[in-house]
Amino acid sequence: KQEVTQIPAALSVPEGENLVLNCSFTDSAIYNLQWFRQDPGKGLTSLLLIQSSQREQTSGRLNASLDKSSGRSTLYIAASQPGDSATYLCAVSQSTSYGKLTFGQGTILTVHP
Amino acid sequence: SQTIHQWPATLVQPVGSPLSLECTVEGTSNPNLYWYRQAAGRGLQLLFYSVGIGQISSEVPQNLSASRPQDRQFILSSKKLLLSDSGFYLCAWSVSLAGGETQYFGPGTRLLVL
Repeated sequence: KQEVTQIPAALSVPEGENLVLNCSFTDSAIYNLQWFRQDPGKGLTSLLLIQSSQREQTSGRLNASLDKSSGRSTLYIAASQPGDSATYLCAVSQSTSYGKLTFGQGTILTVHP
Repeated sequence: SQTIHQWPATLVQPVGSPLSLECTVEGTSNPNLYWYRQAAGRGLQLLFYSVGIGQISSEVPQNLSASRPQDRQFILSSKKLLLSDSGFYLCAWSVSLAGGETQYFGPGTRLLVL
């Protein structure tokens, strides 16, 4: 059974800092990995999707990397802003269960001015 | 552009009462549809998914059921709610592509069972 773990559970940083969120998964047979953002009481917004054959994806100040063999992904946020405050969720799609996602518990990020 | 709707946004129901949550998708055809539950301290859990009309797969045994009466409509139901059914319910859709797929989530329904 696939298990996804995110570290740290919560993170508080001053504005302007670069930060790294970590995600690990137990079964390396994944189809892809996604990072989502969730604002309080809201649905999820997809940030980045990395296919199993890719090493990284970039969107603006966000960069996500994937090391499939070691079961790890990182989300790098450059020059953090208060608007980045949210819960960040990592999810993997299994090769054998196309389209079904297994989520981590999330990292609650607070960026203070 | 595609949009996904969920209603109601918030619901307070007594234990033992029935439940019906609705999700509809606009702007796409034959989407894969998903129901997730997000309970406090337990993360996001996949409950049901559907690849077509009338095709429902259940991920975990539970007090809930799902139906897909139309291509872009997904309904989550219960005959008798339990306290443990409280949570934040999210509907999502995706389209299968050769290069992978991204799931798009609705705004969610917060259910409180008392």
